[in-house]
Amino acid sequence: GAGVSQSPSNKVTEKGKDVELRCDPISGHTALYWYRQSLGQGLEFLIYFQGNSAPDKSGLPSDRFSAERTGGSVSTLTIQRTQQEDSAVYLCASSLVSVHGETQYFGPGTRLLVL
Amino acid sequence: RKEVEQDPGPFNVPEGATVAFNCTYSNSASQSFFWYRQDCRKEPKLLMSVYSSGNEDGRFTAQLNRASQYISLLIRDSKLSDSATYLCVVPGGNDYKLSFGAGTTVTVRA
Repeated sequence: GAGVSQSPSNKVTEKGKDVELRCDPISGHTALYWYRQSLGQGLEFLIYFQGNSAPDKSGLPSDRFSAERTGGSVSTLTIQRTQQEDSAVYLCASSLVSVHGETQYFGPGTRLLVL
Repeated sequence: RKEVEQDPGPFNVPEGATVAFNCTYSNSASQSFFWYRQDCRKEPKLLMSVYSSGNEDGRFTAQLNRASQYISLLIRDSKLSDSATYLCVVPGGNDYKLSFGAGTTVTVRA
């Protein structure tokens, strides 16, 4: 079956512009995660969605970052007034349920470069 | 102290060699652990889960030492296709958060 998909695969933007990143999780997966991976660094947790529960936004680095998940499926991560330090790979993952033993399936990521 | 720490490597080994590396974690309450594999410019993919003292899957063996709070990954009879970055993953402070190490890079040469 189809895996997690993300778009765009690459995004180059100018400092100060807004960007929107999209994630399509695996059908039927109730848990959805956004991570950020900078060069040579581990994955940094950003936000978590589980069903209709309030999302855990504790990993968002600033109020310029926001995310939505519509209809319990597609999610968008929005970065307003982008800064050069926002340049990274943004990875989305989904899992069937939100417990530690459940495998997280990652999308291919969006490579964001802020000039 | 970081939640998860890994030797970044790189570990350069010839085909057929055995390579092993560790990961230390700070949350002593963690019960389950994972090794993910990430190929260059690709997404991470689950390699192994570790719930008790260890796990073995073919040429890959993961061992858990709770007393010293580290997990190891051993790769026997290395193949060129084993070249990748191996991410150590430890549950965070709640039911769903995972903490990822920065990864250990392994390069297998012919």
